[in-house]
Amino acid sequence: DSGVTQTPKHLITATGQRVTLRCSPRSGDLSVYWYQQSLDQGLQFLIQYYNGEERAKGNILERFSAQQFPDLHSELNLSSLELGDSALYFCASSAQAADGAQHFGDGTRLSIL
Amino acid sequence: QQQVKQSPQSLIVQKGGISIINCAYENTAFDYFPWYQQFPGKGPALLIAIRPDVSEKKEGRFTISFNKSAKQFSLHIMDSQPGDSATYFCAASTASKLTFGTGTRLQVTL
Repeated sequence: DSGVTQTPKHLITATGQRVTLRCSPRSGDLSVYWYQQSLDQGLQFLIQYYNGEERAKGNILERFSAQQFPDLHSELNLSSLELGDSALYFCASSAQAADGAQHFGDGTRLSIL
Repeated sequence: QQQVKQSPQSLIVQKGGISIINCAYENTAFDYFPWYQQFPGKGPALLIAIRPDVSEKKEGRFTISFNKSAKQFSLHIMDSQPGDSATYFCAASTASKLTFGTGTRLQVTL
């Protein structure tokens, strides 16, 4: 158990809808990262927050946004969903702002019908 | 543009054998090289990691070999066990952003 909690485990929705994925980092970790895993793109970094502030941005679409709250949990919001957004979304956390030793949750599987 | 190339895509090894997975990178700014193990339905789990000032790191049956001049690094799993059957990802990091390889599906047979 990595200590990173993601909810929900599975999400099924339709095109054009909006969903929110939630992540609670390991106790004491200040950084939260979001990744997307798909068969064609592999594991792709989306965005990082450190202690409530956006720290780094990767291949995140404009339809996607994230935030980190004062209690350090994070939410990833996906809107105007398309079939191609179907993927596994992982959250990871680390203690420091620039830390490659990231610990992953078990992900949210998003299916767009 | 794929910055971390991983091979092979899949690997079958007999129990007790050595599993070897290779990765190559392009960006010389990378300063941290972790390996992750992923089982079906689970998230990637940090297995072992190395920094470029070290040529080898060993933890139990897992060893990373690192060649800075060739910009290559590899994972060796000694005495491979059926429980090691999983997908392995190499990664490279600069600051905090992890760039992953495409993964190697390892199957250890009896």
